[in-house]
Amino acid sequence: KNEVEQSPQNLTAQEGEFITINCSYSVGISALHWLQQHPGGGIVSLFMLSSGKKKHGRLIATINIQEKHSSLHITASHPRDSAVYICAVSYSGGGADGLTFGKGTHLIIQP
Amino acid sequence: SAVISQKPSRDICQRGTSLTIQCQVDSQVTMMFWYRQQPGQSLTLIATANQGSEATYESGFVIDKFPISRPNLTFSTLTVSNMSPEDSSIYLCSVEGLVASVGAFFGQGTRLTVV
Repeated sequence: KNEVEQSPQNLTAQEGEFITINCSYSVGISALHWLQQHPGGGIVSLFMLSSGKKKHGRLIATINIQEKHSSLHITASHPRDSAVYICAVSYSGGGADGLTFGKGTHLIIQP
Repeated sequence: SAVISQKPSRDICQRGTSLTIQCQVDSQVTMMFWYRQQPGQSLTLIATANQGSEATYESGFVIDKFPISRPNLTFSTLTVSNMSPEDSSIYLCSVEGLVASVGAFFGQGTRLTVV
């Protein structure tokens, strides 16, 4: 069974800081997802990637397939970035098997 | 982008009763996924719901406890039966593969408390 490990579990930073959240997994995957969960429980997909790097606004996601590792970066962090960030992996293309999730990183950005 | 409407958003239920959670997707999808997130834990897949066939359950989840319906390609329900306080969790439905660059869409979640 694939294990998805995230670090750190909790992170508190000051507004403007550069944030890095890491994710590692143990077996081959078809894609890796970064998700954002707000206190109400709703989940939003930030990125899905199978190689290389993606950027959206202040968010950057990278993946190294050989090392089975991915990072999510937030530049110029803001209090509104405070949320739980979850790494998840899928084994098959087309969404056939659902996702396996990490435990999440609780991020707090202080003004 | 796909929109998934999930309801109820939250409920407080008595031990021994059942709750049915509904998910409506604005696009036709082959598979819908139901997840549970227990307090302080990561999401765990309960089952995969395919239209026209019985749902496929993950280890540790059984149809008698979590019956699922999938009457068409845009709708599914999950019932949490004979509830106990251990069933208090967030339940989410999800679909994948609708938008290649995004990957997964989730319902708003149902926060269930069993007393």
